[in-house]
Amino acid sequence: EAGVTQFPSHSVIEKGQTVTLRCDPISGHDNLYWYRRVMGKEIKFLLHFVKESKQDESGMPNNRFLAERTGGTYSTLKVQPAELEDSGVYFCASSQLRGGAEKLFFGSGTQLSVL
Amino acid sequence: AQSVTQLGSHVSVSEGALVLLRCNYSSSVPPYLFWYVQYPNQGLQLLLKYTTGATLVKGINGFEAEFKKSETSFHLTKPSAHMSDAAEYFCAVSLLSGYSTLTFGKGTMLLVSP
Repeated sequence: EAGVTQFPSHSVIEKGQTVTLRCDPISGHDNLYWYRRVMGKEIKFLLHFVKESKQDESGMPNNRFLAERTGGTYSTLKVQPAELEDSGVYFCASSQLRGGAEKLFFGSGTQLSVL
Repeated sequence: AQSVTQLGSHVSVSEGALVLLRCNYSSSVPPYLFWYVQYPNQGLQLLLKYTTGATLVKGINGFEAEFKKSETSFHLTKPSAHMSDAAEYFCAVSLLSGYSTLTFGKGTMLLVSP
């Protein structure tokens, strides 16, 4: 069974550009989470989808970040325009519908560098 | 609100030595507690978790952790370090059940020398 897959693994862009990160959860997992780790700091929650609906987006830093999950399958996280402070590792995680935090599976992350 | 404090951003041990990574948490309600490990160029992997029941929990690769409510701690230990244990370790807490999100500590990089 394939795990949580994230694309790309690395992205280097210039300030002001747009970047789209993609996450493919484990098949059948209705819960999808985005987390971010800025260098030197803790991993922080961004948002949570249940199927295609946003359950909790309290961690989204500002309106330059847009997350979507059309059809309840894969999800994208777009940053537009990117700023220097957006650099970090973006993790995606998924779990089954009734799965709590103890049943999360994480992807390898996308390393985003904004120059 | 919950928070997690990991003491020491870097811990160095010799191969064969005891590994001790410290984690303290704060939570207004009884939490679930986790340790994750991230090997270079890989994702976060669950090492072990405490939900309910026995306070000493065993995980993969010989690691274990003990939940001490009175000390609000969940320290990670391994009796004998191996070179392959070199990685970054994250302690995390969540509320019991439901759509609870994880609150992570800043991580501790474990360095193992021959």
